[in-house]
Amino acid sequence: DGGITQSPKYLFRKEGQNVTLSCEQNLNHDAMYWYRQDPGQGLRLIYYSQIVNDFQKGDIAEGYSVSREKKESFPLTVTSAQKNPTAFYLCASLRGGYTGELFFGEGSRLTVL
Amino acid sequence: AQRVTQPEKLLSVFKGAPVELKCNYSYSGSPELFWYVQYSRQRLQLLLRHISRESIKGFTADLNKGETSFHLKKPFAQEEDSAMYYCAASSSNTGKLIFGQGTTLQVKP
Repeated sequence: DGGITQSPKYLFRKEGQNVTLSCEQNLNHDAMYWYRQDPGQGLRLIYYSQIVNDFQKGDIAEGYSVSREKKESFPLTVTSAQKNPTAFYLCASLRGGYTGELFFGEGSRLTVL
Repeated sequence: AQRVTQPEKLLSVFKGAPVELKCNYSYSGSPELFWYVQYSRQRLQLLLRHISRESIKGFTADLNKGETSFHLKKPFAQEEDSAMYYCAASSSNTGKLIFGQGTTLQVKP
């Protein structure tokens, strides 16, 4: 069953802790993206990677880090430096280049207590 | 700065009425434009893209480069069209793909 899998679906974190969100795809797509979804603000781009071992900052990268060691995996770490980390996070992979289609995961909801 | 703007948070229409969801963009070069849709309890998914010049579920979108707009239109709204709609733009140079704030379309019976 092909697609994008994000885990965990729900995550609670204490202030000052780092947390890593998993994103795995078996669609053989080169490019992957991380977005943050907040009410009224739409989807904001955190990081994206067009190829293994390479990634670029999006519009709101501060307080986040990523890695792209494998084509299938693009984990996002929310660090303690992120001032307002409570949000819904969406991962996606891209089929077909810049005119292509994004395939999204179901998302991960992070709550900082 | 690159930006996609959807000025309406909520658009409420009656079934059978025409619908227009607005999208304006500010992007260097010639971006590709998209509309994505999220139905209740479903994943965000592609509705249509400018390059395909297609009509999906009765929706069309026209690119107006002069006004830098890519409004989504449907002549007769259906209740099943109720969803959150996002306009998006991507860059051929950088691969960067950004979204607008989203518009909730509510079609009343």
